[in-house]
Amino acid sequence: AQSVTQLDSHVSVSEGTPVLLRCNYSSSYSPSLFWYVQHPNKGLQLLLKYTSAATLVKGINGFEAEFKKSETSFHLTKPSAHMSDAAEYFCVVTLNSGGSNYKLTFGKGTLLTVNP
Amino acid sequence: DTEVTQTPKHLVMGMTNKKSLKCEQHMGHRAMYWYKQKAKKPPELMFVYSYEKLSINESVPSRFSPECPNSSLLNLHLHALQPEDSALYLCASSQTSLNYGYTFGSGTRLTVV
Repeated sequence: AQSVTQLDSHVSVSEGTPVLLRCNYSSSYSPSLFWYVQHPNKGLQLLLKYTSAATLVKGINGFEAEFKKSETSFHLTKPSAHMSDAAEYFCVVTLNSGGSNYKLTFGKGTLLTVNP
Repeated sequence: DTEVTQTPKHLVMGMTNKKSLKCEQHMGHRAMYWYKQKAKKPPELMFVYSYEKLSINESVPSRFSPECPNSSLLNLHLHALQPEDSALYLCASSQTSLNYGYTFGSGTRLTVV
């Protein structure tokens, strides 16, 4: 079975300061991991993905995440927050089991607030 | 074209109405999905179509009826809904390998009155 735990339901930062959104996963197989962002009343946009290549993954809008197998973590970071980063962020995992698997497992989400 | 297009963006319907949500993609993806999302919650999977065939139904009530007329289109037919069915309905598509993740549409905000 696979699961995802987002360690913070709400993170608040000041504009221009670093962002850290934490995610731990559990998976019996080699996982694929994703971060999605959702702005209010919008759909989900893929920020970045890890699929067993480089462990440091760069995404859109200056975000990056590092896959750490020993810690079963995939934390999302950004050096300097912008007001437009305020949104809900979801960490997502799926299996690389080699078969057809259409299910993504979502974390409960982290609401990022950016203060001026 | 790298988008999933959903219509309408907003829908208000009575409990006796019949309505349909539509979803379209032209990325050549052969898997398409319906998700339901309540406020401040992650999306919940409802249905998965793979190669135009229903492959997963997550025990969704029969008042929700999916349809996949072709590889680019996905519909969700709604009938006799309840107020608790009010939510954001998201369509997504993917390649049959999930290594690339899903592409989501912007959703239909459904209100049942």
